[in-house]
Amino acid sequence: QVQLQESGPGLVKPSQTLSLTCTVSGGSISSGTYYWSWIRQPAGKGLEWIGRIYTSGSTSFNPSLKSRVATSVDTSKNQFSLKLSSVTAADTAVYYCARATKMSSTSIYGLDVWGQGTTVTVSS
Amino acid sequence: DVQMTQSPSSLSASVGDRVTITCRASQTIGSYLNWYRQKSGRAPELLIYGASSLHSGAPSRFSGSGSGTDFTLAISSLQPEDSATYFCQQSYTTPYTFGQGTKLEIK
Repeated sequence: QVQLQESGPGLVKPSQTLSLTCTVSGGSISSGTYYWSWIRQPAGKGLEWIGRIYTSGSTSFNPSLKSRVATSVDTSKNQFSLKLSSVTAADTAVYYCARATKMSSTSIYGLDVWGQGTTVTVSS
Repeated sequence: DVQMTQSPSSLSASVGDRVTITCRASQTIGSYLNWYRQKSGRAPELLIYGASSLHSGAPSRFSGSGSGTDFTLAISSLQPEDSATYFCQQSYTTPYTFGQGTKLEIK
């Protein structure tokens, strides 16, 4: 079955850019009606949706982060990526990549496959 | 943004008990409501989508109900592995938003 794996630096300095990659295995990133998504979770807190990208390049971001976020898809590598600029300590969190799937015959999207998460700490 | 509010924020129950968790949306979201279970140190896993449909592979003791603004997740017979935090999430409109979570402890 499809699996996702996040990768990237675990430590980023304040004001720099956080860069993460999610590798999709067990299936093609281009097949199906999927949105490839990023979610984060500060330690001991709730989940925050960062944004999503479709393989066509269409994107949607959380307005709270929109000015600092960029995403991309590399279908040749079966990967998608996240960049978050001008980071501060408030961006310290576990970052998850996830697949949003249109469920059954509905128009409802569910986050049905998740990576294991990667911890990113913003500190000098 | 659609605000999602869960209650209670925590609860404790015994193996075999039936428990319910509620989720309220700040505006109507139809049935665009999903439930997730997150075990300690793990990624969330989808349990229920569309308010009441059981996701493939999710145990049948989980069920969901509701529409509009008020939703409920029920666990019919608690198992030790249900010790986790549960989140609701609306997929009606972006930005997708989550409830703050309900931490379930097994006595």
